[in-house]
Amino acid sequence: DTEVTQTPKHLVMGMTNKKSLKCEQHMGHRAMYWYKQKAKKPPELMFVYSYEKLSINESVPSRFSPECPNSSLLNLHLHALQPEDSALYLCASSQNLDRGEKLFFGSGTQLSVL
Amino acid sequence: QKEVEQNSGPLSVPEGAIASLNCTYSDRVSQSFFWYRQYSGKSPELIMSIYSNGDKEDGRFTAQLNKASQYVSLLIRDSQPSDSATYLCAVPGAGNMLTFGGGTRLMVKP
Repeated sequence: DTEVTQTPKHLVMGMTNKKSLKCEQHMGHRAMYWYKQKAKKPPELMFVYSYEKLSINESVPSRFSPECPNSSLLNLHLHALQPEDSALYLCASSQNLDRGEKLFFGSGTQLSVL
Repeated sequence: QKEVEQNSGPLSVPEGAIASLNCTYSDRVSQSFFWYRQYSGKSPELIMSIYSNGDKEDGRFTAQLNKASQYVSLLIRDSQPSDSATYLCAVPGAGNMLTFGGGTRLMVKP
């Protein structure tokens, strides 16, 4: 099983809403990631969790709040987003990229902020 | 700052031809290299990984790595319209993260 599951697939929210994106993997991977991707651009790293601890935060605004409840789950809490935050949000997981292991992506959440 | 560079394209090839996608990287100590395919509106899908100098073949796909020249390429033989997508080159960096190139858009014309 090389599946990373993301929900919801699509999300439309207003600037005052609070919503959460969810991600799950059962491959035993110890690292989980959130990426943001705008149209015609490559994925842009937001956060990395290694062994359930936040190891990288790429200067992401505080309106994005990640959470890793356990080794299989990763959430991204959204609050007071701006229209420019509309993008494809990708969750990914890996056993250990530093040792050449592969990165697997979920199907993504297409987010529109109105 | 690690850099991964790709020609953005579009690269247009006729159906049945060989498509050649190129990628250069700046970090000499990089040991593993990945190619992802991404269809419009979908998530990236890993199609090839390569770790050693030389060629690695998987079906119609061949990855080529030259660490001395810091160059990795992807060849797609017998290109099909369904191969039309954006191809992303990716190189791991320290801190358990992946650096992506800007992607090359491939168009295979029937």
